Amino acid sequence: QLQLQESGPGLVKPSETLSLTCIVSGGSISSANYYWGWIRQPPGKALEWVGNIYYSGNTYYNPSLKSRVTISVDTSKNHFSLRLNSVTAADTAVYYCARISVAVRWFDPWGQGTLVTVSS
Amino acid sequence: DIQMTQSPSSVSASVGDRVTIACRASQGISSWLVWYQQKPGKAPEVLIYTASTLQSGVPSRFSGSGSGTDFTLTISSLQPEDFATYYCQQGNSFPITFGQGTRLEI
Repeated sequence: QLQLQESGPGLVKPSETLSLTCIVSGGSISSANYYWGWIRQPPGKALEWVGNIYYSGNTYYNPSLKSRVTISVDTSKNHFSLRLNSVTAADTAVYYCARISVAVRWFDPWGQGTLVTVSS
Repeated sequence: DIQMTQSPSSVSASVGDRVTIACRASQGISSWLVWYQQKPGKAPEVLIYTASTLQSGVPSRFSGSGSGTDFTLTISSLQPEDFATYYCQQGNSFPITFGQGTRLEI
């Protein structure tokens, strides 16, 4: 059964870089049928797609975050990563990683999520 | 970008009630519509994909319909475990976008 697990610091200072990794287990990240993505959810607010990556390295980003976001993949370690630079309090959110079907573009399964707080 | 608008933003209902949640896309998305259920402190879970296909393991009291720009999620007879927040998401094109959510309360 495929599982995803986010890891990374829970507290980041304003203007610094948020870095998270999603470890994929129970399946290969090199599948041609899936993207691997990040979604975030500020406390009490709606879900927001951040971006996703294909195993080959092709990326798609939310235009509202594109200038600050980098998603990368390491197929040898079966994980992918998110970097968001120049963070502000508005970037405080639960960050989820998930698998995305190339054909249908739905997110399943999801990681459990990790809360990242931006504060000095 | 395709905007997804859900209505209502919240709804109060009772066990046994029939509830319908609407989702409207700002432009046509064919049937590339997904519904999720999210409970507090948990990740969302897929209920329905391609507008009307029930995800494996999801109770048959959930159903979805629509195509183009207008979609609905219906719960035929509410159970206690259904009180949660529901989101629609379009998968027609990037950027992927979600609705603002509908909170289903007792």
